[in-house]
Amino acid sequence: ETGVTQSPTHLIKTRGQQVTLRCSSQSGHNTVSWYQQALGQGPQFIFQYYREEENGRGNFPPRFSGLQFPNYSSELNVNALELDDSALYLCASRRHQNTEAFFGQGTRLTVV
Amino acid sequence: DAKTTQPNSMESNEEEPVHLPCNHSTISGTDYIHWYRQLPSQGPEYVIHGLTSNVNNRMASLAIAEDRKSSTLILHRATLRDAAVYYCILRDSTGNQFYFGTGTSLTVIP
Repeated sequence: ETGVTQSPTHLIKTRGQQVTLRCSSQSGHNTVSWYQQALGQGPQFIFQYYREEENGRGNFPPRFSGLQFPNYSSELNVNALELDDSALYLCASRRHQNTEAFFGQGTRLTVV
Repeated sequence: DAKTTQPNSMESNEEEPVHLPCNHSTISGTDYIHWYRQLPSQGPEYVIHGLTSNVNNRMASLAIAEDRKSSTLILHRATLRDAAVYYCILRDSTGNQFYFGTGTSLTVIP
């Protein structure tokens, strides 16, 4: 059983650009959540996908969007990047909505 | 949003028990209490979760107050590998969101 993998591990973007982060969920997991973790802070929930549908969203603007694919892998897209978007972006998958979450190692995004 | 409050940091000597407290006074009747920990440069790792009764697993024990407004994560014998940030999290009844706080940074002293 493979774990949750995220790509890329590190990324540098310029303010105003767009970025796509990718997450491969653990085998058999149909629920994927994304989190933003600023330096020294706890992760903040962005949104969650269950069977390709968004079924939960945190307090993030619409320029944060996502997708889940039939194989349950997922993408996080951020448009019009701002300096404050610099953070560690974490993906977590679960077998279904009421079980423990398994997190990936994260993607470190730096916006300059 | 349901919130949790934890001390910013705690220290423990190696091989001694550690009690990590968490307050969640606004918890609703169907919110589960989860604990995760995050080692440096890694994603959070599941530790334990519960609803009303105390829970034990191979990693830790979770003691939940009778009124559910607080809980305590117990590491029975701290090791150097237990040094991490521990997050007490409430999961809402739909299971759709985890509310992380700022966590407790645990230092284990050899």
